[in-house]
Amino acid sequence: GAGVSQSPSNKVTEKGKDVELRCDPISGHTALYWYRQSLGQGLEFLIYFQGNSAPDKSGLPSDRFSAERTGGSVSTLTIQRTQQEDSAVYLCASSPHMTGTNQPQHFGDGTRLSIL
Amino acid sequence: KQEVTQIPAALSVPEGENLVLNCSFTDSAIYNLQWFRQDPGKGLTSLLLIQSSQREQTSGRLNASLDKSSGRSTLYIAASQPGDSATYLCAPSTGGFKTIFGAGTRLFVKA
Repeated sequence: GAGVSQSPSNKVTEKGKDVELRCDPISGHTALYWYRQSLGQGLEFLIYFQGNSAPDKSGLPSDRFSAERTGGSVSTLTIQRTQQEDSAVYLCASSPHMTGTNQPQHFGDGTRLSIL
Repeated sequence: KQEVTQIPAALSVPEGENLVLNCSFTDSAIYNLQWFRQDPGKGLTSLLLIQSSQREQTSGRLNASLDKSSGRSTLYIAASQPGDSATYLCAPSTGGFKTIFGAGTRLFVKA
């Protein structure tokens, strides 16, 4: 597709269950970002992937959160043993990478996660 | 740790007004700064990106300026329209391309 695709668009699950959120970046974009946007809050950086480099995981809030990026393309954000405070919109973005500069990030529409 | 503040938090103006949205950040060692808009229930749309070596960028009715040394950026919107109603987010990127977002300015333009 032409843009960043995220699935599912909405996810409702019970507290304690594991969830997987998927992000398909724009073809050719080597940088991929995950953010979390809680109700009434700003965007919170979670994790950043760039090519084959080790990801920047400094924003992950706890060890229940993990993310993978397979083949330098699709990424999966996994939340284990979900808690009610994990309820938020999870946004993925991608950008091309040019040495020494950033390029604009292109965002998906997000996955709205609700923990009951 | 980078902290980003946007003022005002909310703004309501009549159609046709020129307006300025303000952003300040605490760590001036940035690679660039982006301005985004977010419509309800949607992701973010990049409006303007200013590299650290630049002072401003323009796109149509939008102009963004950057004063890196003082940790400030402004987004100027000329001749505002109802379709400009959205939340505007300021986002500087620091080392490692980590992007930190402000809480945003919610803009409502009345017809």
